[in-house]
Amino acid sequence: DTEVTQTPKHLVMGMTNKKSLKCEQHMGHRAMYWYKQKAKKPPELMFVYSYEKLSINESVPSRFSPECPNSSLLNLHLHALQPEDSALYLCASSQGWGLAGDNEQFFGPGTRLTVL
Amino acid sequence: AQTVTQSQPEMSVQEAETVTLSCTYDTSESDYYLFWYKQPPSRQMILVIRQEAYKQQNATENRFSVNFQKAAKSFSLKISDSQLGDAAMYFCAYRRNNNDMRFGAGTRLTVKP
Repeated sequence: DTEVTQTPKHLVMGMTNKKSLKCEQHMGHRAMYWYKQKAKKPPELMFVYSYEKLSINESVPSRFSPECPNSSLLNLHLHALQPEDSALYLCASSQGWGLAGDNEQFFGPGTRLTVL
Repeated sequence: AQTVTQSQPEMSVQEAETVTLSCTYDTSESDYYLFWYKQPPSRQMILVIRQEAYKQQNATENRFSVNFQKAAKSFSLKISDSQLGDAAMYFCAYRRNNNDMRFGAGTRLTVKP
């Protein structure tokens, strides 16, 4: 299994809602990532988890709250979002940490989020 | 801070011909990885090719090859025998030791039949 899966595919939420995005991989990867991608722009790194611990937080607003319950699962909890947070949210995973050749990042298909 | 620059927002190629996408980057690191990712419309981002900075030999994957010039901090992608399925947004990316990966702005490639 060389897949990263993300649910839901699409999400529409109001600014007062609380929702969660889910990402799963069963490749035994120990690093997982959240990216935000606006239309016609490159992905921007939000968070990195390594061995289930938060390693990088790119100064993301607290209305985005990541969680890594286990090595296969990564969640992104959303609360009080703004319309400008509408974007494609990509999850990725890699085998490990550091500058190794097998640390290629595998991307999921993304969740397209619309905040009304 | 590391930056990745793709100076060609859009490129077009005739089917079966060759096209080269440009990428430059800025870094003070000596060890790093460079990547080209492909993102077809409404589809998943996939890795096309990668290059280790310590390797002088240019990476090749079937019809895809790179021209890596470390001193010039240049990393171009050549697609030979272009196919309709190659049409996509192509992102150049740089990764350093801490798994922090940075992407360029992307080049949208159109393949004409």
